[in-house]
Amino acid sequence: AQTVTQSQPEMSVQEAETVTLSCTYDTSENNYYLFWYKQPPSRQMILVIRQEAYKQQNATENRFSVNFQKAAKSFSLKISDSQLGDTAMYFCAFMTRYGGSQGNLIFGKGTKLSVKP
Amino acid sequence: SAVISQKPSRDICQRGTSLTIQCQVDSQVTMMFWYRQQPGQSLTLIATANQGSEATYESGFVIDKFPISRPNLTFSTLTVSNMSPEDSSIYLCSVGRDGKLGNTIYFGEGSWLTVV
Repeated sequence: AQTVTQSQPEMSVQEAETVTLSCTYDTSENNYYLFWYKQPPSRQMILVIRQEAYKQQNATENRFSVNFQKAAKSFSLKISDSQLGDTAMYFCAFMTRYGGSQGNLIFGKGTKLSVKP
Repeated sequence: SAVISQKPSRDICQRGTSLTIQCQVDSQVTMMFWYRQQPGQSLTLIATANQGSEATYESGFVIDKFPISRPNLTFSTLTVSNMSPEDSSIYLCSVGRDGKLGNTIYFGEGSWLTVV
């Protein structure tokens, strides 16, 4: 069974600084997707960034980028130029690419990020 | 992306009653899913809502407690039956969509239920 581990329950960063959130996962599959979702106090789950396992190039979306290390099964999220609006719970998630489990996201326990002015 | 609307957004329910949550998507999607997020916890998949057939439930979730309907490719409902305080959670509808980035899962705003 797949598992996702986020080892940092809480983190804080100063506004405009850079922060990295860690995520490791365990799977025997070769093709899969990895996601980072953001959940602000409004509780809505917002997609931050997505990575396909067969792509070696790390995904980037504006101030958000990932460091995907497939052999190490690591998928960290870097937030550059942190803004107050980045304060939220961040969840790392895994999904198989094929088969009946497609759409079954396996989530980590989350990292609560606080951006301080 | 996808526009996913859920109703109600929030409700306070009496123990022993049932509540139906609606999920409407802005366009046809093949895959629709229901997740539960208990207080302070991560998300857990309840079931996959299949159009034209019974929902597929994950381990620990049963149809009698969480009946699901999927009458067409843009709409689904989840009912939480015979509620107890342990059912107090956020219930989220999600859809799978193939975009330029490939298969991605998007979420609705969630329905925050408190059972008293």
